[in-house]
Amino acid sequence: QKEVEQDPGPLSVPEGAIVSLNCTYSNSAFQYFMWYRQYSRKGPELLMYTYSSGNKEDGRFTAQVDKSSKYISLFIRDSQPSDSATYLCAMISGGGADGLTFGKGTHLIIQP
Amino acid sequence: AAGVIQSPRHLIKEKRETATLKCYPIPRHDTVYWYQQGPGQDPQFLISFYEKMQSDKGSIPDRFSAQQFSDYHSELNMSSLELGDSALYFCASSFQIQYEQFFGPGTRLTVL
Repeated sequence: QKEVEQDPGPLSVPEGAIVSLNCTYSNSAFQYFMWYRQYSRKGPELLMYTYSSGNKEDGRFTAQVDKSSKYISLFIRDSQPSDSATYLCAMISGGGADGLTFGKGTHLIIQP
Repeated sequence: AAGVIQSPRHLIKEKRETATLKCYPIPRHDTVYWYQQGPGQDPQFLISFYEKMQSDKGSIPDRFSAQQFSDYHSELNMSSLELGDSALYFCASSFQIQYEQFFGPGTRLTVL
């Protein structure tokens, strides 16, 4: 079993809908949580970065972390066709220049 | 804003050849990370450097080596290439082991 589980999708929603993307993890040492957006054959782009449990909002994006449930979410409001991409959750325990542990990524399609 | 620069962007090699990938971090970033992403896979952490010293090691094959130079750029050296080494190789950088890692556009390596 992977340390980080993420439904690969595809997830298809109409333009303007609220999108919910989720990951679960098994390693309780993870403390820092990130969401990356990756377009086909491009580098991952950092969207959100959170530490420990709680919510963080940035424009149309909201990240939630529930460490007690080992569950993280990314919400996208007013979704646009340009949001169509693969969304990767990533996490790290901290303490050094550690590598990120990624989920498999969810392929999101926003239908115009 | 300046981003991570990787070169070359595309590389084609034969089996058993060697390859060198280069990474130039965002200005003032002193930490570099290397990741390998196979087709349809999430990025897998290979190795990281902080202030020119190896910091963390992931699933990097013994055939691969890397280093970080005095100007903070990094090179990933890959020898005895195998067909399975065909992948996207990403470099990411961060400032003083902050956990926000910013990714470059990647080098697509094809081994024939």
